[in-house]
Amino acid sequence: EVQLKQSGAAVKKPGESLKISCKVSGYRFTDYWIGWVRQVPGKGLEWVGIFYPDDSDTRYIPSFQGRVTMSADKSIDTAYLEWSGLKASDTAIYYCARHNYGGDYKWFDSWGQGTLVTVSS
Amino acid sequence: AIQMTQSPSSLSASVGDRVTFTCRASQNIRSDLAWFRQQPGRAPTLLIYAASILQIGVPSRFSGNGSGTDFTLTINSLQPEDFATYYCLQDYSFPYSFGQGTKLEMK
Repeated sequence: EVQLKQSGAAVKKPGESLKISCKVSGYRFTDYWIGWVRQVPGKGLEWVGIFYPDDSDTRYIPSFQGRVTMSADKSIDTAYLEWSGLKASDTAIYYCARHNYGGDYKWFDSWGQGTLVTVSS
Repeated sequence: AIQMTQSPSSLSASVGDRVTFTCRASQNIRSDLAWFRQQPGRAPTLLIYAASILQIGVPSRFSGNGSGTDFTLTINSLQPEDFATYYCLQDYSFPYSFGQGTKLEMK
């Protein structure tokens, strides 16, 4: 069974650093892109970026470029999303999702449960 | 970047009703369109991908249609768990983009 398990909620102050994780199981980690999605409470879904664990190919949504860093540790099948200087506007739920594929098709079929990040002074 | 526009933004219906949502892309995305349902406090769950392919385990009351720029999601015989927010997603080209969502409420 494919599973993506995310790290727990985090409460940080503005300017602090944070790294949240997404540990996968049930499939070969390096064969699939991982996407990160942000959702401000009560609002819609928006992409942060996508990451390919095999070669660390990374693509960021322009509004997040330079604000976050996606990475992975292949030895423990875990993807990360990291901030070096949090802002109150980073307060949101962050989801990771696997980008599955087959033939001509691709789809985000499996999602983590989400990590709530709260940034407040 | 490709813009995705969903309509309506909200909709009221009753258990057993049939409803249809629309998603329009700002340019041709072939059939690279997915639909998700998000229940309150939960992660999104995939319903349909490639515009019309039902994800494994999703009930057959859900169906998707369309290609190019115009797409629909239809739910036949609404169930209580269907009252949620629905999002379309284009993964034709990066940056991928979601629609703003359609909230389905109980009448």
